[in-house]
Amino acid sequence: QSALTQEASVSGTVGQKVTLSCTGNNNNIGSYGVAWYQQVSHGAPKTVMFGNSLPSGIPDRFSASKSGTTASLTISGLQPEDEADYYCSTWDYSLSAAVFGGGTKLTVL
Amino acid sequence: QVQLVESGGGVVQPGGSLRLSCAASGFTFTGDGMHWVRQAPGKGLEWLAFIRYDGDMAYYADSVKGRYTVSRDNSKNTLYLQMNSLRPEDTAVYYCAKGVTLYQLLIGTWGQGILVTVSS
Repeated sequence: QSALTQEASVSGTVGQKVTLSCTGNNNNIGSYGVAWYQQVSHGAPKTVMFGNSLPSGIPDRFSASKSGTTASLTISGLQPEDEADYYCSTWDYSLSAAVFGGGTKLTVL
Repeated sequence: QVQLVESGGGVVQPGGSLRLSCAASGFTFTGDGMHWVRQAPGKGLEWLAFIRYDGDMAYYADSVKGRYTVSRDNSKNTLYLQMNSLRPEDTAVYYCAKGVTLYQLLIGTWGQGILVTVSS
């Protein structure tokens, strides 16, 4: 069982806005920034957000937020190429370890 | 640009050992913490280890603590993962990853991954 909880699957149509969530506790999300990783067809993951920052080359339709122990990744204007698995991650101070969510499979209809 | 290239994977028998290497380029290796992450077939991502920029501190997942050792050679811009007492459940694609410059404990850039198969 993952330390962070994500929806198993989310779907949306092209152009729609979708939001993925990631729930943790005060030892992890409540205490450190959150990163989001995109993995297309089990290729190498790619970082699409860390904290509120967009890595170079990531389109600005990706955004992130955090409130208390829940983080969210929002994709505005969904594109076919956004179909992928998305993982959230942060540091857990009680475990002294990085933790991942179980991943959300995003399907673009 | 940042490049991370893993090597050293392959097939190993249960109980055996393997050392993975990760050659880093395109950034100041001595300035960033580094991670190892793996993904078993059909499963999600599993964080394994983090080593601080100077190599003086490391953290491990409980699943590999005492069996795996992360190290780095800053003179060679290379990260290592020594894996001992390997088990079939250690079969996975292993990724080397660079910490985010201002948030070292998060991952900013990933390598392409290398397959490790533990089987008799």
